[in-house]
Amino acid sequence: KAGVTQTPRYLIKTRGQQVTLSCSPISGHRSVSWYQQTPGQGLQFLFEYFSETQRNKGNFPGRFSGRQFSNSRSEMNVSTLELGDSALYLCASSLRAGASGTEAFFGQGTRLTVV
Amino acid sequence: AQKVTQAQTEISVVEKEDVTLDCVYETRDTTYYLFWYKQPPSGELVFLIRRNSFDEQNEISGRYSWNFQKSTSSFNFTITASQVVDSAVYFCALSRVGSSASKIIFGSGTRLSIRP
Repeated sequence: KAGVTQTPRYLIKTRGQQVTLSCSPISGHRSVSWYQQTPGQGLQFLFEYFSETQRNKGNFPGRFSGRQFSNSRSEMNVSTLELGDSALYLCASSLRAGASGTEAFFGQGTRLTVV
Repeated sequence: AQKVTQAQTEISVVEKEDVTLDCVYETRDTTYYLFWYKQPPSGELVFLIRRNSFDEQNEISGRYSWNFQKSTSSFNFTITASQVVDSAVYFCALSRVGSSASKIIFGSGTRLSIRP
């Protein structure tokens, strides 16, 4: 079956703009989590959505938001982009909420560059 | 607080050598999950193993083996007879069990280079 699909793969934005990233989970998976990966901070949890509801949130400012649709696809949005938002954004899909009982499968990520 | 430490930032070995990646974790939970992920240059995180804190039995999968020692809070990963295709960044990770388990705490990663 198809894996986790993230679009776009690469993105270049200007400071102050906003951006929307998309994640399509594995078919049948209802949980989608988002992570930010930077050289300085490593991999950090952003938030998790399950059944269209945000279940957990990491320690990120309100400029970072997300949502999940009824088909489990998820989008994350970053408003008023800052240079420090440049990162690889990874989406993880799992069958149920959390990693309990199953592992999370990751997409290839969206590499966002803010100039 | 939960924390994962991978003290080895980079490791470089010659092909066919054995290599061990170290992982030390901190948690106050009595029940938790430990993971290893591989990140090749393409970017995605490839799941390698998940271990429940109740299960301290070591595991072997082909050339890969994992040594979980609760007494020292370590979950080390050994690649036997390394190959060039093993070159990647490897992450050790920790999560709680239950509904909050979605938040996986990652170590800083170990970049492994296998030289032909």
